[in-house]
Amino acid sequence: KAGVTQTPRYLIKTRGQQVTLSCSPISGHRSVSWYQQTPGQGLQFLFEYFSETQRNKGNFPGRFSGRQFSNSRSEMNVSTLELGDSALYLCASSLDTGGDGYTFGSGTRLTVV
Amino acid sequence: QKEVEQNSGPLSVPEGAIASLNCTYSDRVSQSFFWYRQYSGKSPELIMSIYSNGDKEDGRFTAQLNKASQYVSLLIRDSQPSDSATYLCAPRNEYSGAGSYQLTFGKGTKLSVIP
Repeated sequence: KAGVTQTPRYLIKTRGQQVTLSCSPISGHRSVSWYQQTPGQGLQFLFEYFSETQRNKGNFPGRFSGRQFSNSRSEMNVSTLELGDSALYLCASSLDTGGDGYTFGSGTRLTVV
Repeated sequence: QKEVEQNSGPLSVPEGAIASLNCTYSDRVSQSFFWYRQYSGKSPELIMSIYSNGDKEDGRFTAQLNKASQYVSLLIRDSQPSDSATYLCAPRNEYSGAGSYQLTFGKGTKLSVIP
């Protein structure tokens, strides 16, 4: 059974650019959640998508956005990148909303220079 | 703001000892609790879930929950060097009464098992 797949694994971007990260959940999982992980703040919730609808949103600026497609795959976008956006971005999937047993992907390491 | 507090460590225990990891949370209505293990450079993996007050055992791991005290812990018996990792506590919180939920993670406790 395939796990949660995130692409790309690594990214280096310049301040002001935008970036799109992709997540394919486990087959049959309809919920995809995104987290940002930094050494100082730990894992912080960005948003959750369920059946193509954003169900939850964390306390991040509007530069962070996402969407989910009909096959449950999800993308997140960060516009006008700032140095502080450098982090590990983790996607997690679960059968239903709310992370009753999330499975995480390997993450995308974003570095903003 | 829902908060989850964990001792950041590092917590060092000798091989074969019991490691005790603690977590307190602020959201009184949290009903489900999860422990994740994260090895350095890897993503978190779910190791335990607990929903009712008391103890839940799974192999060398025991999760303990006390909702009245808003406290959850993880015991690792017969600790092995391979248990060296960061352990993340995550209560499940309801989002604005909307019937949707999310996990709020603590910053984790770094465990080091010394051979």
